[in-house]
Amino acid sequence: DGGITQSPKYLFRKEGQNVTLSCEQNLNHDAMYWYRQDPGQGLRLIYYSQIVNDFQKGDIAEGYSVSREKKESFPLTVTSAQKNPTAFYLCASSVTGTGGETQYFGPGTRLLVL
Amino acid sequence: LAKTTQPISMDSYEGQEVNITCSHNNIATNDYITWYQQFPSQGPRFIIQGYKTKVTNEVASLFIPADRKSSTLSLPRVSLSDTAVYYCLVTPFQTGANNLFFGTGTRLTVIP
Repeated sequence: DGGITQSPKYLFRKEGQNVTLSCEQNLNHDAMYWYRQDPGQGLRLIYYSQIVNDFQKGDIAEGYSVSREKKESFPLTVTSAQKNPTAFYLCASSVTGTGGETQYFGPGTRLLVL
Repeated sequence: LAKTTQPISMDSYEGQEVNITCSHNNIATNDYITWYQQFPSQGPRFIIQGYKTKVTNEVASLFIPADRKSSTLSLPRVSLSDTAVYYCLVTPFQTGANNLFFGTGTRLTVIP
């Protein structure tokens, strides 16, 4: 089955702790994205990567870091510098077909602060 | 970055056709219009995409007028399971080239 997996489903962070959210895709997509969603709000872009070993900041990159060492993987680290990390985090990958860009999303990780 | 404007919420009875209109006045020549559906605590799911006129698939229809400054998602005969948030996006042709704008979407509630 092709798709995007995110783990864990729920993650708890203690004060001052860095945590890493996993995102893996087997769709052979070049581009991958991380979004943050707060209750009742839309999605906001944290980071995106168009190709291995390259990534760009989105609108709300402060307090987050990413890496893209493999095409299939795009982990997101929520650092202690992110003062309000409680949110629903979504990973996506994309392909350009016969039309415009279409993004495929994972099931999400809900991050809670203890 | 082409932003979109759509109603915050809509209610509909089961079995009715629902039309959700989206405004995108600053759409560029190479941009497409894409709609996603999101259920609570899940990632958004692609519904339909179009460039102009009308596109139809097994789930929905998308109507785009000649000036492309707006679009309408049509859901035929909705059921309770169609209760979700629907996002309208202007999407570039090139993969990963731009920051996509997911607004707050339209929260559709289907009533029995």
